[in-house]
Amino acid sequence: EAGVAQSPRYKIIEKRQSVAFWCNPISGHATLYWYQQILGQGPKLLIQFQNNGVVDDSQLPKDRFSAERLKGVDSTLKIQPAKLEDSAVYLCASSLFPNSRLGVQETQYFGPGTRLLVL
Amino acid sequence: DQQVKQNSPSLSVQEGRISILNCDYTNSMFDYFLWYKKYPAEGPTFLISISSIKDKNEDGRFTVFLNKSAKHLSLHIVPSQPGDSAVYFCAASGATGNQFYFGTGTSLTVIP
Repeated sequence: EAGVAQSPRYKIIEKRQSVAFWCNPISGHATLYWYQQILGQGPKLLIQFQNNGVVDDSQLPKDRFSAERLKGVDSTLKIQPAKLEDSAVYLCASSLFPNSRLGVQETQYFGPGTRLLVL
Repeated sequence: DQQVKQNSPSLSVQEGRISILNCDYTNSMFDYFLWYKKYPAEGPTFLISISSIKDKNEDGRFTVFLNKSAKHLSLHIVPSQPGDSAVYFCAASGATGNQFYFGTGTSLTVIP
């Protein structure tokens, strides 16, 4: 079974530029997550999709970050304009089911991440 | 506000000995806990999980213990192997949804 795919793996931009990251989740996984992991910290959830709808974007800096999952499969995360503090690894994850209503918690499977450096 | 804490940023253990990684949480609504393992330049990989209805879950060399009253969980690796050298993150979620809150990670080095 193919895992979560992300591209690019690395990106270097200057502040105030724009950047976009792409994620293709595991086939059949309804839920997709974008995380930001700053050096020395754990991953922090930015946005959660269930199919093509947003479930939680409470920690997404909406003035500069946007994300979409138009067909309920792959997703794009964009930063415009980038700031120095956006330097981080951006991780995409997916899970089969969105929540624990059935009493079953779903494990999230992570992609390799995109390492962003803003100069 | 860090709801999941891993107070030891690093740990070194001799090969064959036990590795114990600790994690504390503050939110009493958390009822599902996981450990992820991360190698450099890779995404985190699921290792083992435990539901709050249990106090222990075992999978091969890996055992997770949960102490709900102390809001503490630990991961035991026995015996430790050099390939276990990685960063280990604990994560927690509550019954209301699938958002996982991650700790800051513990870097484990297993010395041959």
